Amino acid sequence: GDSVTQMEGPVTLSEEAFLTINCTYTATGYPSLFWYVQYPGEGLQLLLKATKADDKGSNKGFEATYRKETTSFHLEKGSVQVSDSAVYFCALTLGNDMRFGAGTRLTVKP
Amino acid sequence: NAGVMQNPRHLVRRRGQEARLRCSPMKGHSHVYWYRQLPEEGLKFMVYLQKENIIDESGMPKERFSAEFPKEGPSILRIQQVVRGDSAAYFCASSYMGDFTDTQYFGPGTRLTVL
Repeated sequence: GDSVTQMEGPVTLSEEAFLTINCTYTATGYPSLFWYVQYPGEGLQLLLKATKADDKGSNKGFEATYRKETTSFHLEKGSVQVSDSAVYFCALTLGNDMRFGAGTRLTVKP
Repeated sequence: NAGVMQNPRHLVRRRGQEARLRCSPMKGHSHVYWYRQLPEEGLKFMVYLQKENIIDESGMPKERFSAEFPKEGPSILRIQQVVRGDSAAYFCASSYMGDFTDTQYFGPGTRLTVL
């Protein structure tokens, strides 16, 4: 079935380091892809999305490109901040369903 | 413009009791989704509702769980005869369009603890 696999955490980085969180998907059709972020004690917030191949989603310095050939949607940021510490979820939708990855916890140290 | 509201934020129940979780979607949204998040896990889709209709309940356990979204008032997720394994965070999301490619806006969640 349709599914999302994302890089296991936790990930710990120093401030200003480069971030990559890998996400790959399995789908029978052409899903839309999302990254959500969850701060402690809060609900999920949409970070960025891409609805077709080669689209690049970007927001707050984060970006991810929908790669159909590698079925991937890796999240990147050039210089992380302490305030980026959170759990990041990759997700896909296809038809009447939304599937989430298990989440990757990021901790950024000053 | 208020976001998605959920209440209560924290709910404690003893085994065998009923839990009622409420979700008020964003203004103008008529599509509601419920998800469950177990500790250290991702969200699992439970049910998708429009006003007065259940569109997809494929992710919801067949027994003890039910959901509704009446014409007036919030959406309700009801868990009867709760067990310890029901302890989780339950998130509601809403969207303007019913298309899953539309952005879903999430509420802060209800954290259910079953003693």
